[in-house]
Amino acid sequence: GQNIDQPTEMTATEGAIVQINCTYQTSGFNGLFWYQQHAGEAPTFLSYNVLDGLEEKGRFSSFLSRSKGYSYLLLKELQMKDSASYLCAVFGGGADGLTFGKGTHLIIQP
Amino acid sequence: EAGVAQSPRYKIIEKRQSVAFWCNPISGHATLYWYQQILGQGPKLLIQFQNNGVVDDSQLPKDRFSAERLKGVDSTLKIQPAKLEDSAVYLCASSGPVGYTFGSGTRLTVV
Repeated sequence: GQNIDQPTEMTATEGAIVQINCTYQTSGFNGLFWYQQHAGEAPTFLSYNVLDGLEEKGRFSSFLSRSKGYSYLLLKELQMKDSASYLCAVFGGGADGLTFGKGTHLIIQP
Repeated sequence: EAGVAQSPRYKIIEKRQSVAFWCNPISGHATLYWYQQILGQGPKLLIQFQNNGVVDDSQLPKDRFSAERLKGVDSTLKIQPAKLEDSAVYLCASSGPVGYTFGSGTRLTVV
């Protein structure tokens, strides 16, 4: 079976740093995606981790530990436009469709 | 490159009616996916096509949902008859070198 867990909602302050965690238990694993989704819009690609370690891309970083079934997305210098849902998705387990978590709704306060 | 195109953007129907959604993937992307996203949840894969063949439709409710991709390009997803619990956003995606690109989705409301 597939199980991906993320916090439902988080609140952070503009200019601060926030870490969104994701744990997964899946029958297969070929990589992990993070997507950003604003209300009423399509998910947009943020990062893709295949190997253990940290991937940095501007204000966004993503970390993966395959042995622990754990990933996090780190957002720095938060801006109001970062208010969105952040989706963790596992790629693997046969066909290459993605299995998504329920998403973390991030609220940025001034 | 042009993105994944979907239509219609919104659709409201009564339960037991039928509805169809259309998707045009990014040019050259052989793999196409349909996802269902219920409010407050992550997208759930319904069906995956490789060219015009079905790779995975294990989560497609086949008693009421059908999908086709006749020429390996455009795809249609149909629901007949619709139920209240089918209210969701239906996302089409295609995969390429930098992962998946999603369309803007069709928001279906069944009343």
